[in-house]
Amino acid sequence: QVQLQESGPGLVKPSETLSLTCDVSGYFINRGYFWAWIRQTPGKGLEWIGSMYHSGSTYSNPSLRSRLTISIDTSKNQISLRLISVTAADTAVYYCARHRAGRLAVAGTFDSWGQGTLVAVSS
Amino acid sequence: QSLLTQPPSVSGAPGQRVTISCTGSSSNIGAGFEVHWYQQLPGTAPKLLISGNTNRPSGVPDRFSASKSGTSASLAISGLQAEDEADYYCQSYDNESGSNVFGTGTKVTVL
Repeated sequence: QVQLQESGPGLVKPSETLSLTCDVSGYFINRGYFWAWIRQTPGKGLEWIGSMYHSGSTYSNPSLRSRLTISIDTSKNQISLRLISVTAADTAVYYCARHRAGRLAVAGTFDSWGQGTLVAVSS
Repeated sequence: QSLLTQPPSVSGAPGQRVTISCTGSSSNIGAGFEVHWYQQLPGTAPKLLISGNTNRPSGVPDRFSASKSGTSASLAISGLQAEDEADYYCQSYDNESGSNVFGTGTKVTVL
């Protein structure tokens, strides 16, 4: 059974870079599936950030695309998120999830989730 | 603002049946993209409840069912139990925004 665990700093200063990693166990990332980042805030609810396949194909939320980098390290069975120039609006609980592709590769369902990690953007 | 609209809250007594609507548009549900449902218990991550409009993953009780019609979808919980008290979210893909989108969320309260 796949398990996902997010980790990273809980506090980031405005204008700096938010960096998170997600360790995946119980499933080899390079066997398939997309791997996603999703965040949740009280105000905006759940927001899909982006998804990446082990081959490098990446899809992302157009509203975040210019600030976003998602990467995969198959040797560590790990996915990473990097979001630059953060503001208070980026304060959220960040989840990594396994993304099962649908009719379109980008469309699909998130069938396994990590427990989430809270990131606050504040000086 | 979310492209998928849900009622903020629904409630019911134990044993009753409740339904949660998810209203979209011609660029998401109405375009034929699948609807998925998630249950989020207090203090935990969302959990996949229904995938591909109507399919229950292994381990999800058959008290949970879902349907889709036109630009909307709905989730039904029959035989409501105290453990069903949670937030529920629908999710689909929107080809106008080019993004996976989640519903606004519905809090289910068991009276």
